[in-house]
Amino acid sequence: TQLLEQSPQFLSIQEGENLTVYCNSSSVFSSLQWYRQEPGEGPVLLVTVVTGGEVKKLKRLTFQFGDARKDSSLHITAAQPGDTGLYLCAGAARGSTLGRLYFGRGTQLTVWP
Amino acid sequence: NAGVTQTPKFQVLKTGQSMTLQCAQDMNHNSMYWYRQDPGMGLRLIYYSASEGTTDKGEVPNGYNVSRLNKREFSLRLESAAPSQTSVYFCASSPERVGDQPQHFGDGTRLSIL
Repeated sequence: TQLLEQSPQFLSIQEGENLTVYCNSSSVFSSLQWYRQEPGEGPVLLVTVVTGGEVKKLKRLTFQFGDARKDSSLHITAAQPGDTGLYLCAGAARGSTLGRLYFGRGTQLTVWP
Repeated sequence: NAGVTQTPKFQVLKTGQSMTLQCAQDMNHNSMYWYRQDPGMGLRLIYYSASEGTTDKGEVPNGYNVSRLNKREFSLRLESAAPSQTSVYFCASSPERVGDQPQHFGDGTRLSIL
């Protein structure tokens, strides 16, 4: 059973387009993290959102945590080929003191020049 | 600026062989993790160690054992490799055992079982 459902699984777009990736669950999380992974490397943390309704921006990337802390979204404005990669969301279960994260299956983004 | 170091980077085994994947971190982190990544499956937790001297099973522990040798090192052992264990294995660490701490990943070990 996948605790976090990511959609879409694959996304192929042209440079300059906008896109949104979704991460949904029926469970409440104390925080949610987004990672990006490039081929041959491990995931690298992009952002952590902690408060329900929180919005964080990282240049052209906007991350939002749902009010109920069950879902999150990643929006990329004017995508560039350098944004290509696997995007993973990961949630920390509410009440967990063990540092354990639950990962979604990822969204593979390809941006064509 | 090493962070999390995994060895080896690539390995090919025959069914039934054993091997140990090594992981070391130099960030003085308390918690360490082993994941496997298969196409379309995201990252699945095999074992984790919230602090030195403790280990706990994740969601896919069968066929694996771990050792938290000291604060820096966390190894993953396959006692009798099976083709289903062909995967990319990632080790990660985090500062504390609180769930919202960022995890720092190594570059992975690509393991093929024939």
